[in-house]
Amino acid sequence: DAGVTQSPTHLIKTRGQHVTLRCSPISGHKSVSWYQQVLGQGPQFIFQYYEKEERGRGNFPDRFSARQFPNYSSELNVNALLLGDSALYLCASSLTATNEKLFFGSGTQLSVL
Amino acid sequence: GIQVEQSPPDLILQEGANSTLRCNFSDSVNNLQWFHQNPWGQLINLFYIPSGTKQNGRLSATTVATERYSLLYISSSQTTDSGVYFCAVGVDSNYQLIWGAGTKLIIKP
Repeated sequence: DAGVTQSPTHLIKTRGQHVTLRCSPISGHKSVSWYQQVLGQGPQFIFQYYEKEERGRGNFPDRFSARQFPNYSSELNVNALLLGDSALYLCASSLTATNEKLFFGSGTQLSVL
Repeated sequence: GIQVEQSPPDLILQEGANSTLRCNFSDSVNNLQWFHQNPWGQLINLFYIPSGTKQNGRLSATTVATERYSLLYISSSQTTDSGVYFCAVGVDSNYQLIWGAGTKLIIKP
């Protein structure tokens, strides 16, 4: 069975642009979470979706948005990119809404120039 | 909000050595997970362990929820164990996990 898949693996954007990151969860998993990881730090929670509804939102500005599709895949959108948005963006899936045992994709490395 | 502290921040060991990594948290949790992030950035779930003890091969973990700490034991270390080990906790109905800063482990051949 395929694990969590993310695309693209790397992305270079300039300030002010917008970006869309994509994630496909493990088959059967209905929960998708997004995290941002800056070099040298632990991941920071951005969003969680379960059964296509937003279940949680971290301390990120409104420039960050997400959605979950009927097939449980998800998109993370970031508008008006800032240099500080450069980070590894990680998607995780789990069977339950309460996130017992998160499984992560290999991430999208975003560089904002 | 809840604070998660991991120690030590860095650990350098020879292959074959044993190690103990610690995670302290400042409030009651209903979710605690240990992850290994390899040098290529991939996060691997090691344990879901809000309480009790679990073992998986050379790795084992113990969480003492009443005293607000968890320990990850690695025995007979191999070079492939190198990377960063993270502890992440969840509280009540809050769906997010709060992560520690990690322990960077280097295993020398």
